[in-house]
Amino acid sequence: NAGVMQNPRHLVRRRGQEARLRCSPMKGHSHVYWYRQLPEEGLKFMVYLQKENIIDESGMPKERFSAEFPKEGPSILRIQQVVRGDSAAYFCASSPHPGDTQYFGPGTRLTVL
Amino acid sequence: DQQVKQNSPSLSVQEGRISILNCDYTNSMFDYFLWYKKYPAEGPTFLISISSIKDKNEDGRFTVFLNKSAKHLSLHIVPSQPGDSAVYFCAAASNTGNQFYFGTGTSLTVIP
Repeated sequence: NAGVMQNPRHLVRRRGQEARLRCSPMKGHSHVYWYRQLPEEGLKFMVYLQKENIIDESGMPKERFSAEFPKEGPSILRIQQVVRGDSAAYFCASSPHPGDTQYFGPGTRLTVL
Repeated sequence: DQQVKQNSPSLSVQEGRISILNCDYTNSMFDYFLWYKKYPAEGPTFLISISSIKDKNEDGRFTVFLNKSAKHLSLHIVPSQPGDSAVYFCAAASNTGNQFYFGTGTSLTVIP
């Protein structure tokens, strides 16, 4: 009974490199949400995707950040040309239907040197 | 603009006593509320939820109360156990939106 899976759990990048974070939703869930938690803050919504579609990206920075959820495979959150301010914990959640309880993965902790 | 607020960053309670965690929200469109529990280096774990048509929901030692007129909800844990020590996040959503809005969390320590 696998829950939401995220990898890698920890990711270290130097400024200017690219970071790719992966999320596999729970079985039977086709709705994926990405959140970011900065130190001493709560979780902030970034983007909501269904298979092959971005439904709501209102929380996503306009530049350098992109997300996808292909027909096959995990959802990917991609951060290009990372900066120190991107250092945070990135959590993925999934739900079977929009508005249902969201179940979270263990997160990816990104550190930008 | 923090639409969900948890004004107590931390709370300490003696084992066996009641823990009360509070949460306030500003958006009257919110109609679904949840509490998540988070241990260090792990993702948030769903604990309990309540919809706006109810004012109380109970699950074992955990009870959530919703006061819509005050835009306030609380989580009661009784009796508190050392294993309950974690950060608790309150979250809210509306049926017209796609995202959950999270508070900044309350760190609960249950003292044996």
